[in-house]
Amino acid sequence: QKEVEQDPGPLSVPEGAIVSLNCTYSNSAFQYFMWYRQYSRKGPELLMYTYSSGNKEDGRFTAQVDKSSKYISLFIRDSQPSDSATYLCAMIDPGYSTLTFGKGTMLLVSP
Amino acid sequence: NAGVTQTPKFQVLKTGQSMTLQCAQDMNHEYMSWYRQDPGMGLRLIHYSVGAGITDQGEVPNGYNVSRSTTEDFPLRLLSAAPSQTSVYFCASSYRVGLGVDTGELFFGEGSRLTVL
Repeated sequence: QKEVEQDPGPLSVPEGAIVSLNCTYSNSAFQYFMWYRQYSRKGPELLMYTYSSGNKEDGRFTAQVDKSSKYISLFIRDSQPSDSATYLCAMIDPGYSTLTFGKGTMLLVSP
Repeated sequence: NAGVTQTPKFQVLKTGQSMTLQCAQDMNHEYMSWYRQDPGMGLRLIHYSVGAGITDQGEVPNGYNVSRSTTEDFPLRLLSAAPSQTSVYFCASSYRVGLGVDTGELFFGEGSRLTVL
């Protein structure tokens, strides 16, 4: 079983919808959690970063971490066609030297 | 700043050929790494380096060599290419040796698309 599980999608939603993207993980030692966004034929870019359990908000984006359930989420409010991309969750290993990525979820927002 | 620059962007090899993927960053980052991205497999770490002269293996190191003689450059060498190495390769760097401190954000290049026939 891979350490980080993420549904690859694709997830198709209409413009304006609320999107929920999720990852589960098995290593309870993970402490830092990130969401990267990757547009087609581009490298990933950091979108959100959280350390502890709870919520972190940045504009239309909210990252949620539940360490007790080993579950992280990314919510996108009022989704836009420009949000169409692959979203990858990532976690920093306990030695702080590597990132473990989920497989990524492809999101398609239609006008 | 150019950020992380990868060359070449596209390459086709025959089985058994060797080649080097180049990666350079101009942000004075200590940490550099190579990932491969395959459909259905996500990003998998090949090798990483926490500073000049220091390298370590990631999840999928077999068939690849790296060296880090300068802070700026981190080339990835394919010793004898195999069709299983057909992939998109990403180089990424971070200013922090220890990821997770002050985000430990990874900055990615635009990728090198390799096909091995």
